[in-house]
Amino acid sequence: NAGVTQTPKFQVLKTGQSMTLQCAQDMNHEYMSWYRQDPGMGLRLIHYSVGAGITDQGEVPNGYNVSRSTTEDFPLRLLSAAPSQTSVYFCASTLLSGAPYGYTFGSGTRLTVV
Amino acid sequence: AQSVSQHNHHVILSEAASLELGCNYSYGGTVNLFWYVQYPGQHLQLLLKYFSGDPLVKGIKGFEAEFIKSKFSFNLRKPSVQWSDTAEYFCAGEGYQKVTFGTGTKLQVIP
Repeated sequence: NAGVTQTPKFQVLKTGQSMTLQCAQDMNHEYMSWYRQDPGMGLRLIHYSVGAGITDQGEVPNGYNVSRSTTEDFPLRLLSAAPSQTSVYFCASTLLSGAPYGYTFGSGTRLTVV
Repeated sequence: AQSVSQHNHHVILSEAASLELGCNYSYGGTVNLFWYVQYPGQHLQLLLKYFSGDPLVKGIKGFEAEFIKSKFSFNLRKPSVQWSDTAEYFCAGEGYQKVTFGTGTKLQVIP
């Protein structure tokens, strides 16, 4: 089925470890983004990309890196995990930012840093 | 800076009651507005969206929202809620290349 696929669904990391959260979409969407969801804080934008080779920072970018080498994939890297990065992470995409399509969300990755 | 505010954090209703969830936005220019729903343990799903035109927008599952520019509001409504509407609801605004979400409203519908 077409959509946004996130892996893994669950992950436990030790402080200081690194990992990559994967996000892939098969809808030929130009715009992709990463959010973190924390209780009482809604969703906060970490990084986004308006097309292959173009990325930019969102509201809470510190501690995270992204790259966009293809239209389909938008991985999120944690270089040195910290307990403050314990959260649920969602990837979202849309055909074009600002166009009347709405955003499609992945099923999320629940990350715990101990 | 763009922002979206949801003032109701937790709403409890009985089945068949009417629903209205508040959303206010603050944007410098043109804004696109959305309501998303998140059922327990699931990802966000689009309920409805406003980009331009008729300020009364109808979405899925009987939800609607009204864009009132003078009040900077985009409230979500449903005339009669069901137990299956128990979920968390997020208002969001899209400015230049970025979407900002409100903090969410948890709706609990009691049978």
